[in-house]
Amino acid sequence: DTGVSQNPRHKITKRGQNVTFRCDPISEHNRLYWYRQTLGQGPEFLTYFQNEAQLEKSRLLSDRFSAERPKGSFSTLEIQRTEQGDSAMYLCASSFVGSNQPQHFGDGTRLSIL
Amino acid sequence: GNSVTQMEGPVTLSEEAFLTINCTYTATGYPSLFWYVQYPGEGLQLLLKATKADDKGSNKGFEATYRKETTSFHLEKGSVQVSDSAVYFCALFRGDSNYQLIWGAGTKLIIKP
Repeated sequence: DTGVSQNPRHKITKRGQNVTFRCDPISEHNRLYWYRQTLGQGPEFLTYFQNEAQLEKSRLLSDRFSAERPKGSFSTLEIQRTEQGDSAMYLCASSFVGSNQPQHFGDGTRLSIL
Repeated sequence: GNSVTQMEGPVTLSEEAFLTINCTYTATGYPSLFWYVQYPGEGLQLLLKATKADDKGSNKGFEATYRKETTSFHLEKGSVQVSDSAVYFCALFRGDSNYQLIWGAGTKLIIKP
């Protein structure tokens, strides 16, 4: 079990640029989740996949955000035309299917918008 | 709806003190309950979980008991160490149409030597 891996760990970009983050879940896990966390707050749910299907998207996920999990393995989260308010830690988690299955988190990608 | 309420931090204790971080929840049905810990600059690590009433989750000296009658899942540790300094999050999970964890705001714990 190598854990959930996220890349890059840090991303600094200018406002208006596009950014893409990658998440590699634990290989046996069917579900993959994206969260956003700002300083001093708990994570906010963005979206989740079961295998390659994106089953739910939060209202927080504006049209500038898109996530994919093309082969049911790794996932990417893209933010287009970044804004100051997008600065946050983006967390990925994965789990088995089931309501008592814990989600295992990566170390996150910290996005800073200049 | 579902919600989680945690005691506000920061909580500051001396090493070897007894720790309690309160967590109460609102949910219909029987949610699974979790405590996660986040060390500075890192992601969230699962600390312990409980999936039904009266279950006790435990790990690394931390314990929490799922109390349905008081809708609580308080985190306790008998003797804290400086290395326990972190932010602790209580969360619940219902495997219904949302499939997402509902989080408390987190409680920052500071342990002084």
